[in-house]
Amino acid sequence: AIRMTQSPSSLSASTGDRVTITCRASQGISSYLAWYQQKPGKAPKLLIYAASTLQSGVPSRFSGSGSGTDFTLTISCLQSEDFATYYCQQYYSYPLTFGQGTKLEIK
Amino acid sequence: EVQLVQSGAEVKKPGESLKISCKGSGYSFTSYWIGWVRQMPGKGLEWMGIIYPGDSDTRYSPSFQGQVTISADKSISTAYLQWSSLKASDTAMYYCARLGNIPGVDYFDYWGQGTLVTVSS
Repeated sequence: AIRMTQSPSSLSASTGDRVTITCRASQGISSYLAWYQQKPGKAPKLLIYAASTLQSGVPSRFSGSGSGTDFTLTISCLQSEDFATYYCQQYYSYPLTFGQGTKLEIK
Repeated sequence: EVQLVQSGAEVKKPGESLKISCKGSGYSFTSYWIGWVRQMPGKGLEWMGIIYPGDSDTRYSPSFQGQVTISADKSISTAYLQWSSLKASDTAMYYCARLGNIPGVDYFDYWGQGTLVTVSS
């Protein structure tokens, strides 16, 4: 199985900050990567697929990049509603696997 | 509007059986894979398996193969996740989610609200 490793595991930031979360795959996955946001007590929400394509309705302050083994999720100007946990997921091969999550907290 | 509506929370004893459900609406239920994802308390997301309701083709994560059964009834647009003998370690939130309908689109674009399963003696 492909292992997905996110860093950092947690991150403190302030509204208005620019933050970047990294996801590394244990082998090349081309651009078969998705990012999700999960708020406490809620289901995950798809933000980005194909490494860099924004899901419909997702604010443009979210962006994704990368291919192969290294990927990033960037939030350009943090809003209060962005404080949540973020997960990456590879869909290059089965079994589908998620990163362990990055918890974004208010500083 | 695409919706996945899951059955309500369950409290069970170890050794009991359970079947939870996920009803899809607002799209062609038989044309999209449906997956199940586990989230143990305070932990991350784990993919369990998927089913294609059109022909009931099913794939399981090796971690869950033999531990659960995924099924679907296309006549009522509902997917199921079931256990024959629950353990305390099955205590978790379980989400159903829709995958894309073409090969290579294996990310989850719509999610159910989750079903909390608590297994305790």
